[in-house]
Amino acid sequence: DIQMTQSPSSMSVSLGDRVTITCRASQDIGNYLSWYQQKPEKSPKLMIYGATNLEDGVPSRFSGSRSGSDYSLTINSLESEDTGIYFCLQHKQYPRTFGGGTKLELK
Amino acid sequence: EVQLVESGGGLVQPGRSLKLSCVASGFTFSNYGMNWIRQAPGKGLEWVAYISSGSSYIYYAETVKGRFTISRDNAKNTLYLQMTSLRSEDTALYYCARLLSTGRDYWGQGVMVTVSS
Repeated sequence: DIQMTQSPSSMSVSLGDRVTITCRASQDIGNYLSWYQQKPEKSPKLMIYGATNLEDGVPSRFSGSRSGSDYSLTINSLESEDTGIYFCLQHKQYPRTFGGGTKLELK
Repeated sequence: EVQLVESGGGLVQPGRSLKLSCVASGFTFSNYGMNWIRQAPGKGLEWVAYISSGSSYIYYAETVKGRFTISRDNAKNTLYLQMTSLRSEDTALYYCARLLSTGRDYWGQGVMVTVSS
């Protein structure tokens, strides 16, 4: 199975910060990587697919990138509505596997 | 508007069975593979099972293989998850979801399953 190691597990951030969350894949997954945001009591919301593609309606301050087996989600100029938990998901093979999550909180 | 509406959850004793349903609307259900994903209270997301559009391909997480069965009825636009030999560790919010590597994901609101005596 492909392991997705996500870091950090939590971050305390300030409004306007640039935030980067990373997932490392244990095997090659190409660009088959999505990023989700989850708010309390809500279903996950797709933010990025194909490692770098912004889902419709997602603000342009969100971006995704890849360097080898490391996949990153970056939020430029954090806004208060960006708090929540972020997960990555690999779509390369079954079983699908999620990263452990990154909880983003305001200082 | 796309909707995925799960039902069938509840409190069940260990070792018993439960069947979840997910009714889809707003897209051509029969064209898409579907997934069940769960989230234990306060924990992360765990993919549970996948079924292809025509039910030809089915995959399970090792944690549920042999106990859970995913199925679908395209005529009824409905996805199912039959859960047997339930354990306390199966306690979670269960989501049905259309997951595409090309975007346009859709998730239901989730249905809670609690396994406890």
